[in-house]
Amino acid sequence: AQKITQTQPGMFVQEKEAVTLDCTYDTSDPSYGLFWYKQPSSGEMIFLIYQGSYDQQNATEGRYSLNFQKARKSANLVISASQLGDSAMYFCAMREGPQGGSEKLVFGKGTKLTVNP
Amino acid sequence: DAGVTQSPTHLIKTRGQHVTLRCSPISGHKSVSWYQQVLGQGPQFIFQYYEKEERGRGNFPDRFSARQFPNYSSELNVNALLLGDSALYLCASSLYWSMTDTQYFGPGTRLTVL
Repeated sequence: AQKITQTQPGMFVQEKEAVTLDCTYDTSDPSYGLFWYKQPSSGEMIFLIYQGSYDQQNATEGRYSLNFQKARKSANLVISASQLGDSAMYFCAMREGPQGGSEKLVFGKGTKLTVNP
Repeated sequence: DAGVTQSPTHLIKTRGQHVTLRCSPISGHKSVSWYQQVLGQGPQFIFQYYEKEERGRGNFPDRFSARQFPNYSSELNVNALLLGDSALYLCASSLYWSMTDTQYFGPGTRLTVL
């Protein structure tokens, strides 16, 4: 069963505008963590933002914020004031497994974001 | 500070051969994880090592093995290569072995099996 679903294979946004990348997840574990990574064409995965299941507030890191809606099991990434350098693949990932036990990151299939000048 | 480094950057092998990929974590990080990313997909978890012990294993055949050395660097070995093993292999390091710790990825090794 798909644990992380990213329904947008590709997204386009104009430079300086905001964009939301969707992510829904499936877990029965009350303790989990959600991550967003950016992967430019060079291949390296760049950590953007993290949200823990018990965190009361939505995570923010500079121009990145995470719209965490626990009841809906969604963790959407919002990028404000898009820049040309934001063009890349974006992956949502969830920590799976008992904390302190055998844990792994489960990734979605990604969304390709293109920022137009 | 240096990030996660991986070698080689590219590799071409033929079916049936063996390959060894190497990873050096960020200084001070004790956990190393390996992921396979097939073209057009998200990364898939292969192994996690912490303090030289295997802490987690993904759904990969026994042809895949790994180890971690006293300096926390790691090797991923794949035997009897298949065409389907062609992928980007990513190494990630973190301070500890809990997934609440952020994993920092290296640039990857692109393996092509002919």
